[in-house]
Amino acid sequence: AQSVTQLGSHVSVSEGALVLLRCNYSSSVPPYLFWYVQYPNQGLQLLLKYTSAATLVKGINGFEAEFKKSETSFHLTKPSAHMSDAAEYFCAVSGNSGGGADGLTFGKGTHLIIQP
Amino acid sequence: GAVVSQHPSRVICKSGTSVKIECRSLDFQATTMFWYRQFPKKSLMLMATSNEGSKATYEQGVEKDKFLINHASLTLSTLTVTSAHPEDSSFYICSARDRSALTYGYTFGSGTRLTVV
Repeated sequence: AQSVTQLGSHVSVSEGALVLLRCNYSSSVPPYLFWYVQYPNQGLQLLLKYTSAATLVKGINGFEAEFKKSETSFHLTKPSAHMSDAAEYFCAVSGNSGGGADGLTFGKGTHLIIQP
Repeated sequence: GAVVSQHPSRVICKSGTSVKIECRSLDFQATTMFWYRQFPKKSLMLMATSNEGSKATYEQGVEKDKFLINHASLTLSTLTVTSAHPEDSSFYICSARDRSALTYGYTFGSGTRLTVV
């Protein structure tokens, strides 16, 4: 069984400031980890994913995340926030490292607010 | 890249009627699709896993007789909400698993906003 905890339901940063969204996971098997972004009334867009290769993963729109097994964390960062980054962000885990058909387990989401 | 089309994007139906939501993988074959439900300002909850040519696997607490899933081909899965009630109003999102193990990708549809009146 897997679970995901996202610390902070809302995060507010100033435009140009560092974005840090926290995600901790638990998994009984080596995890595959994902970050998705969701804009209002839309589906989810993949930002990046960790699939047991490099621990520092670079994604789209300047986002990156680092897998830290010892801390069971997969925090999302972006050096400089843009107004267009305002959205809901979800961390998710899949526990099937064999490339099987498990669905994703999502965290509760973090609403990112960008202050002008 | 992989694209999943979900239709309709919005639907309003009367209580007691049934609604069908379609999820299509447009440029890849998906032996497995997933259906999620999202309540307002809440996370996504996996409802069921849809397997091409076989019965869907439902998560605990999801009524299989209310949420009928059919996965008749490698590119199409449908979710039918039967005898809909206002409490079924929600945002439903499908996801398709790319068969390529190299990408290990889950691609999401754009969601369907169901309102039962």
